[in-house]
Order: sequence, then C-alpha cells, then structure tokens
Amino acid sequence: GNSVTQMEGPVTLSEEAFLTINCTYTATGYPSLFWYVQYPGEGLQLLLKATKADDKGSNKGFEATYRKETTSFHLEKGSVQVSDSAVYFCALVRNPGTALIFGKGTTLSVSS
Amino acid sequence: GAVVSQHPSRVICKSGTSVKIECRSLDFQATTMFWYRQFPKKSLMLMATSNEGSKATYEQGVEKDKFLINHASLTLSTLTVTSAHPEDSSFYICSAPEADTQYFGPGTRLTVL
Repeated sequence: GNSVTQMEGPVTLSEEAFLTINCTYTATGYPSLFWYVQYPGEGLQLLLKATKADDKGSNKGFEATYRKETTSFHLEKGSVQVSDSAVYFCALVRNPGTALIFGKGTTLSVSS
Repeated sequence: GAVVSQHPSRVICKSGTSVKIECRSLDFQATTMFWYRQFPKKSLMLMATSNEGSKATYEQGVEKDKFLINHASLTLSTLTVTSAHPEDSSFYICSAPEADTQYFGPGTRLTVL
C-alpha cells in the first residue's frame, strides 16, 4: 500500500544551523508530495509541494526535491530560525481530491 | 491559498452530551472534505471522507453512529460527536482539496469532562 516514512525526531538545532528532515515514500504510480507545518495549537499549513519527479518545491527558505529514483522528498533549510520550531509532516496523495497519507511528523526545536 | 475555517476552536462539554464541529471552505467549493483526529503523539488519523450530497465514507474502526458527518453544502461539512466520553477528547482537524492541494482548518480542541 501507500505509505510515508519520516524521521520522528525530535530534532534540536541552534539558530542558523542547517536542517534536513528525511522523508521517503511508497506508492504506485506518480503521487504528489507535500510538506505541511503545524505550529503549537494550530492546524496544518501547506509549506511546499511537488507534483512530479525532479520538481523542487520551495517556500520561506525551505526546499524539497521529488526524487523518484530514491522515492524521497527530504526537507532542507540552510539556516533555521527560532520561529521555525514546529511539527513538520511529509505527505503524499495518489490522486487529486483524495485523502492525504501522512508520515508521523517530526518535531523541530530551534534554540537561540 | 485557499482558506478553510473551523468552529469552534475549543469546546468543553460534559460526558454524554453531543458536540457539533463545523468546517467551511471560505473561498472555494469542496464536494469532498476530510476529517482527521490528531493524537498527543502528533500522528493524524483519517476518520472519514465527507461527500456533498451523499453519505460519508468512514475509515475502518471509526464508529459512524458516534461520529456523525453531514456535508450540507459545497462549503460546509459538520462533524457531530454524539454521547461524548472522555476518551473522545482530542484535536479534530478538517481539510478540503482545491485543485491538487489540500487545505486544513485550524482545528478544534475537544475536551470531554
């Protein structure tokens, strides 16, 4: 079946450090891939997405590249800030309009 | 991007009562919406798919008589937790797809005393 695996963390970094959160997926066909972010007590916000192989999604300094050969969609940011502290979810959708399949979420904590 | 709202954001109720949570797509129409439950360890569990004009589709293990879903219009889905018990206390989140992306509501924190 379809699934998403991501490192659960917590990931603890100092401000301005480099961030990588690994995400791999299992799916038939060509899913669309997403990263969502959840700040404490809030819902999920779309961070970035990629809909086909080799696409790079980017937003607010975060990037992720859809790698079909390694079935991965790792999230990266060159210099994290305290305000980036949140839970990050990797997700896929097989067909538009159907339910997302989520990884378990990775908690990021950035200290100054 | 598209906006999804939820109401209420927080609700506290007594055991045995029913609670209704609304999910609205504010600037787009959604024939399908999704309801999730989030547990303390972060993971999101898909509860059901809400379909405008037809019955909701429930995931395995979710009691449809306990979690009533009504998709009244192209912009509104409601989740009613009937005869709530303390174990129903959780964070409930809805989402709606627009084009190839899903947009989430801000969530509803339900506490059952």
